[in-house]
Formats: sequence, C-alpha cells, structure tokens
Amino acid sequence: ETGVTQSPTHLIKTRGQQVTLRCSSQSGHNTVSWYQQALGQGPQFIFQYYREEENGRGNFPPRFSGLQFPNYSSELNVNALELDDSALYLCASSPRQEGGLFFGPGTRLTVL
Amino acid sequence: SQQGEEDPQALSIQEGENATMNCSYKTSINNLQWYRQNSGRGLVHLILIRSNEREKHSGRLRVTLDTSKKSSSLLITASRAADTASYFCAEGKFYFGSGTKLNVKP
Repeated sequence: ETGVTQSPTHLIKTRGQQVTLRCSSQSGHNTVSWYQQALGQGPQFIFQYYREEENGRGNFPPRFSGLQFPNYSSELNVNALELDDSALYLCASSPRQEGGLFFGPGTRLTVL
Repeated sequence: SQQGEEDPQALSIQEGENATMNCSYKTSINNLQWYRQNSGRGLVHLILIRSNEREKHSGRLRVTLDTSKKSSSLLITASRAADTASYFCAEGKFYFGSGTKLNVKP
C-alpha cells in the first residue's frame, strides 16, 4: 500500500504565471484535501474533493481551482500567481469524510 | 483563516520530561485531531478525539477535550529527542491551529 505522493517536490515560478500541482491519494481513499502552509504557520484549508466533486472550500480566491479524477488522484491549479502564493502546498487523503488525514510530503512553491 | 490556536507557541524541554500543549478552538466540533510535522514536511496524524469523549490515550500520548471551554490538550510523556517537531490541533479536517514548536534536548 503506497502512501500519498505529490509532484513536483519543488517549483519556482514568476508572478503572473500558472501552476499545476499533483497528488496521488493513498489506495482506497476517496477524499482529498489541499492546504497551503506559509513558513511558520499552520496549514490553511484550500478545498476538499469527495468522489470528484468539490466538498468544501476555504477562504481562497477562484484562481485556486482543483480537480479529482476517477482514480481519486487530484490536481491543484493556481492562476495569476502572486508573491504571497509562495508556500508549502500539502495534499491529504482520507478513506471517508470523517477521520484522520494522511498527508503527502508537500510541494514547495516559490513565486519570484 | 485559522481557527485553532495552540499554546505555547514554542516549548523546550529535556529528554525524559513531559510536554503539554494546549489548543483552543472556536466552532462546534464533531472531532478534534492532533498532528505532528517534522521540519516543514507532511503532517502525520497522531490522534483523533470525538466530541463525546473526554480523554484518549495512544502510547505515550494523552489527549483531553473540554467542549464547554472549547479546549484540548496534548500530553507527551517521557519525551524523546525524536519528538522534536511542530504539533498542530485541527477542528475536523479543515481548520488547523498555528502550532506548538517542541524542542526536546538530549
């Protein structure tokens, strides 16, 4: 049984560009959530997907969007990157809507 | 915005001592969870306590929950250098606190 994986591990973009981050859920998990973690802060909830439908969203603008695929893998897309988008982006999956989260190692995004 | 707040923000203890971290939250919860994060890597789920539970144990971890005060505490007994990490509480799956940075000195 493989855990949650994320790609890429590091990414450098310039302001105004677009980025796609990818996440593979742990086997058997049908719920995936995305978080943004700035340095020294706790994770901030971006959104959650359950069975390919968005199932909750935090206080993030529409330029943050996502997808969940039939195999429960997921993408996070961020358009029109801003300097403040520089952060660690964490993906987490879980086997059902209630229960603990299983996190991936994260993608470190730097926006210059 | 973050909902939970941990206290203290940082804690430094000697190996073998106990470490206590507190969490206050704002909303009504179904459950509260605690996570550990080593050096900016992915978080690891430690323990989940449901709103109808008052105390839960897992190995060297003890978690309490007081829903009337909207607070929880995490106790790590007989700490080890490997426990050095940041610890976060989370209301359900969505809202994480700002974390307590624990340093256990060998």
